[in-house]
Amino acid sequence: DIQMTQSPSSLSASVGDRVTITCRASQGINNYLAWYQQKPGKVPKLLIYTASTLQSGVPSRFSGSGSGTDFTLTISSLQPEDVATYYCQYYNSAPRTWTFGQGTKVEIK
Amino acid sequence: EVQLVQSGAEVKKPGTTVKISCKVSGYTFTDYYMHWVQQAPGKGLEWMGFVDPEDGETEYLEKFQGRVTIIADTSTDTAYMELSSLRSEDTAVYYCATATGNPDSFDYWGQGTLVTVSS
Repeated sequence: DIQMTQSPSSLSASVGDRVTITCRASQGINNYLAWYQQKPGKVPKLLIYTASTLQSGVPSRFSGSGSGTDFTLTISSLQPEDVATYYCQYYNSAPRTWTFGQGTKVEIK
Repeated sequence: EVQLVQSGAEVKKPGTTVKISCKVSGYTFTDYYMHWVQQAPGKGLEWMGFVDPEDGETEYLEKFQGRVTIIADTSTDTAYMELSSLRSEDTAVYYCATATGNPDSFDYWGQGTLVTVSS
């Protein structure tokens, strides 16, 4: 089985900072890698799919990159409304499974 | 507008079974898989399985095999997730979710259903 390791588990940054979250696969995967934002007490929201495609309506300060084993979610300028837990998620086609990373809690310093 | 509306919170005793519904509107139910995701209190997201409403095909995460059943009722555009032999560790919010864009990611989610397992 492919293992996904997300890091860091939490981070604290100032408003306006550039924030980077990483998801690493135990072996090379296709680009079926998505990122979600979950605010406290709320439903997860899709931010990025296929590693780098911004979901409609998501602010452009969010971006995704990577290929192979290493993928990154970047918030170019952290805003107070970005306080949330972020999850990566990988789709494996054989067998068909969808696996989430452990999550990264983002707070404002 | 795509909507996934789930049934309300449940309190169950250990060893019993819970069945949660997810009624969809705003798209053709049979066009996309319906998935279920578990989130224990203070924990992360875990995909449980899916049903293809077109033909009833299912796949489940090995961890839940034998205890979970996901079905789709195309007459009412409603998906169901049944979890049996409940134990305290099954206390969680359960979400239905679908992928109307790319099949690899979930763009629409239900509001979540809290299941509490307690004696």
